[in-house]
Amino acid sequence: AQRVTQPEKLLSVFKGAPVELKCNYSYSGSPELFWYVQYSRQRLQLLLRHISRESIKGFTADLNKGETSFHLKKPFAQEEDSAMYYCALPQGGATNKLIFGTGTLLAVQP
Amino acid sequence: DGGITQSPKYLFRKEGQNVTLSCEQNLNHDAMYWYRQDPGQGLRLIYYSQIVNDFQKGDIAEGYSVSREKKESFPLTVTSAQKNPTAFYLCASSIDSGLSSYEQYFGPGTRLTVT
Repeated sequence: AQRVTQPEKLLSVFKGAPVELKCNYSYSGSPELFWYVQYSRQRLQLLLRHISRESIKGFTADLNKGETSFHLKKPFAQEEDSAMYYCALPQGGATNKLIFGTGTLLAVQP
Repeated sequence: DGGITQSPKYLFRKEGQNVTLSCEQNLNHDAMYWYRQDPGQGLRLIYYSQIVNDFQKGDIAEGYSVSREKKESFPLTVTSAQKNPTAFYLCASSIDSGLSSYEQYFGPGTRLTVT
């Protein structure tokens, strides 16, 4: 069955430090993976998707099929990066439902 | 900040009462979703609808009901049968097909407190 695992509930780093938010998945086939972000008092929104191979707000995420991972990385954390981050993948079948991980709260300390 | 709206922002109810949460979108999206967000549990899908007059149960549908009479609207009713209704409820929508169909647009949420 499809599954998304985010092992860390909380990740606390200092400003300027590198960030890596972990996401592991199980999926039969070639997955399409996403990172969603929820800043304080804002809506949950799409941050990036692996198929686009883009960098958004300095974040990148590479799909590693061998390790079944899609970790979110940023070389230098900023205080405004503090937010809840969710990894997600399609549930599959004839719908466009997503399965979300349990989320990781990133706290960037000054 | 339009697109998808939810009302009210905060809702308080007594145990045993049914309550309906509103969700409206003007994005012309076919698919709509209801999630429940609890600390440490992420987002769990309650119901979803891919088209008007059709909807399917998600992972935690027990104690909830929905309707989809209009494309723009997908109200969620939390019934008295829901054992633990106090939570933050998120509505979302997406286009139904194509590469962008997995991008979901979320509303601001409704925090329901049942005492």
